[in-house]
Formats: sequence, structure tokens, C-alpha cells
Amino acid sequence: EAGVAQSPRYKIIEKRQSVAFWCNPISGHATLYWYQQILGQGPKLLIQFQNNGVVDDSQLPKDRFSAERLKGVDSTLKIQPAKLEDSAVYLCASSSHRGPRTDTQYFGPGTRLTVL
Amino acid sequence: GESVGLHLPTLSVQEGDNSIINCAYSNSASDYFIWYKQESGKGPQFIIDIRSNMDKRQGQRVTVLLNKTVKHLSLQIAATQPGDSAVYFCAENRNYGQNFVFGPGTRLSVLP
Repeated sequence: EAGVAQSPRYKIIEKRQSVAFWCNPISGHATLYWYQQILGQGPKLLIQFQNNGVVDDSQLPKDRFSAERLKGVDSTLKIQPAKLEDSAVYLCASSSHRGPRTDTQYFGPGTRLTVL
Repeated sequence: GESVGLHLPTLSVQEGDNSIINCAYSNSASDYFIWYKQESGKGPQFIIDIRSNMDKRQGQRVTVLLNKTVKHLSLQIAATQPGDSAVYFCAENRNYGQNFVFGPGTRLSVLP
């Protein structure tokens, strides 16, 4: 079974520029997550999708971050404009969760973003 | 605010020894916990989980203990190997929701 795919693996941009990350979850997984992991910290949830609907985006800085999962499969996360403090690894995860019980999340390798 | 934290940011153990990584959580409503292992340049990898109706769960070389009275979680790794060197995170989940809260992590270094 193929894992969660993410691209690019690395991205370096200057502040105020825009950037987009792509995620392809495990086939058949209904739930997709984007996490931000700042160096030396645990991952922090940014947004959670169930199919193509948003379940939780309470920690997403909506003035600059946006995410979509139009067809309920792939997802993109965008930052516009980027700030220095956005430098982090952006992790995508998916799970087969459909009902009330929690299922394991499987993570992709992440995209390391450096904002100069 | 509510958070999941770890007592020790770094842990060094001799190869072959047992490792114990600790985690404290503050939300008594949390009902599901996961330990993840993260190697450099990779995403977190599931190790073992435990639900709040259990006190102990064993996997291959790993054991998770849950003490709900003091809101404490631990991961025990038996016969620690060099390949176990990584950062370990505990994560808590509340009320069957899918929103996991991660702790800051403990770096485990295995000495030859």
C-alpha cells in the first residue's frame, strides 16, 4: 500500500511570497490533515478534512493560510503572503476514519519550508 | 491551556538497556493516546496506541502504560537498539474526535 505523498520536499522562499504544498493521501482514506511542525516542537493541527468538507480549521491562520480538497482526494495548502515564522515542516496525514471511533493517522514525509 | 507535555526533552540510553519515555496530559476527557516515532527528515510513524479503558498495552518490544489518576502516559522500549534513536511524541485525542494534540517530544539517543 502506498503511503501519503507530499511535494515538494523542500521549499525556500522570501517573506511576502506565496507557496503551495500538495498532498496525496492513502487511497481510500476519507480524512486528511495538515499539520505544522516548528523545529523542536510537536506537530500542530492546522486543518482537518473529511472527504471534501472541513471538519476543523480552528487553528488555521485564515488571513494567510488556505487549504482545499476539492474532489475529496488530493489536497493543497497555500500560504500567501509568507512570514518568517511560517518556517516549519508541513505534514500531511490521512486516516480511514469515517465513524465515531478514532483511527490511526498515517503521515507523509513533510515539506520543509524556509522563509528568508 | 490544555496541553500534552513530556517530562524529559532528551534521553540517552545504552544499547540493550530498556528505555522509558514519559508524557503528562492535562485533559481528563482524553480517551485515546498514541505514541509516534519520528526520525530525522521523516513524518511521525505510529508505534502503539491505548484507549482510556485500558491501563497497559504491549506490542513488539514496546509497552504503553496509562495512569488516568495522575494523567500520565509512558512508553517502554525493551532492549533498545540503535534504530530506536529518534524523537518520540505522545498524542492525545478527546471524545472520539479526530483532533490529536501532540506533546513537544523526547529525543532518544542510543549509545553504543
